[in-house]
Amino acid sequence: QTVVTQEPSLTVSPGGTVTLTCASSTGAVSSGYYPNWVQQKPGQAPRALIYSTSNKHSWTPPRFSGSLLGGKAALTLSGVQPEDEADYYCLLYYGGAVVFGGGTKLTVL
Amino acid sequence: QVQLQESGPGLVKPSETLSLTCTVSGASISSYYWSWIRQPPGKGLEWIGYIYYSGSSNYNSSLKSRVTISIDTSKNQFSLKLSSVTAADTAVYHCARYNFDTRSLDYWGQGTLVTVSS
Repeated sequence: QTVVTQEPSLTVSPGGTVTLTCASSTGAVSSGYYPNWVQQKPGQAPRALIYSTSNKHSWTPPRFSGSLLGGKAALTLSGVQPEDEADYYCLLYYGGAVVFGGGTKLTVL
Repeated sequence: QVQLQESGPGLVKPSETLSLTCTVSGASISSYYWSWIRQPPGKGLEWIGYIYYSGSSNYNSSLKSRVTISIDTSKNQFSLKLSSVTAADTAVYHCARYNFDTRSLDYWGQGTLVTVSS
């Protein structure tokens, strides 16, 4: 069974920069896995942020960026705001099937 | 503005079938793929499957034997049925639009909690 792994938790100071990563048990993550990133705040519906590695939706704040880094998908937040405190999930596509990572709880402190 | 709204019973008995409907507004259901995702309380997201308006579908292999996703283009709705439920199926169930062009689950419903209990 394919497993997608994320850091369980990260802490960042307001105004700082943080990078979340997303690894695949099948090997290096490439653009062919179409990495997506989704943000979820408590009690709210998930909100799509990044698709196909690095593309932003029209509503995605510019401080969010996606990339491939060292064989993983990565989400970088630059100039973190208090409202960025949330759970972040990556998802990868495996030949039509979708697998979510376990999520990263980002604390802004 | 694309909006999705889940509806259905909030309580299902063990061994019975969970049935939910997602009503789509602001977009034609005939133009995209449509997906179900669930989230057990306090846990992460799990993809259940998706369907195209033509009826073509794909399911999570771990749930495939129990899941059916169907679509009603006349009502702009799609539905989920999950059979033989157990307490492990207790979760918030979200519907979402799967944009095949961008490979993105771009619009999500708020979700509905379904509890499996006698």
